[in-house]
Amino acid sequence: AQRVTQPEKLLSVFKGAPVELKCNYSYSGSPELFWYVQYSRQRLQLLLRHISRESIKGFTADLNKGETSFHLKKPFAQEEDSAMYYCAPSSRGGNQFYFGTGTSLTVIP
Amino acid sequence: DSGVTQTPKHLITATGQRVTLRCSPRSGDLSVYWYQQSLDQGLQFLIQYYNGEERAKGNILERFSAQQFPDLHSELNLSSLELGDSALYFCASSPRGTSGGLKNEQFFGPGTRLTVL
Repeated sequence: AQRVTQPEKLLSVFKGAPVELKCNYSYSGSPELFWYVQYSRQRLQLLLRHISRESIKGFTADLNKGETSFHLKKPFAQEEDSAMYYCAPSSRGGNQFYFGTGTSLTVIP
Repeated sequence: DSGVTQTPKHLITATGQRVTLRCSPRSGDLSVYWYQQSLDQGLQFLIQYYNGEERAKGNILERFSAQQFPDLHSELNLSSLELGDSALYFCASSPRGTSGGLKNEQFFGPGTRLTVL
């Protein structure tokens, strides 16, 4: 069965500190991995996807197939990063996303 | 707004009742996805339609059903409502039938908050 674990429901860091939001997945086959973000009073939106190997708003995520992890990292957190973050694997070329329960990140000024 | 729209924004009803949630995808998107977000379970995929046809099914109860119309809008019907059905229901759309890949992502609506009393 597909499973996504985001172990931290709440995470607080100080502005300027590094931040890491953890995601572990259990997924048959080779999934594509995504991070979605929901800022206060805004819609859920795509943050980044692993196949693009991109850095968005200073965030990066490395897919570790051995550990089946896809942790989201940023070296220096900003107040505007405070949001709800969801890790979401999807079957390669598929049409189902399996969202984690999310991590609420608060960046303390 | 050319993004995904959902109506109503809020819905309060009683147990045993039936409600219909509506979703209009982004212009040109053929796929519509429905998700349920409850406090302790995160976002759960319910069902996907692509160009009017059911494409994938997730954790959707038998009391729930959905359809996608020729104009591509979709409705999620929830019947015999129970207290546990209280949740935020999201609709998302994507251009194609698959949501993976470089050019494809899901675009989410603002959600409908359903409260069952």
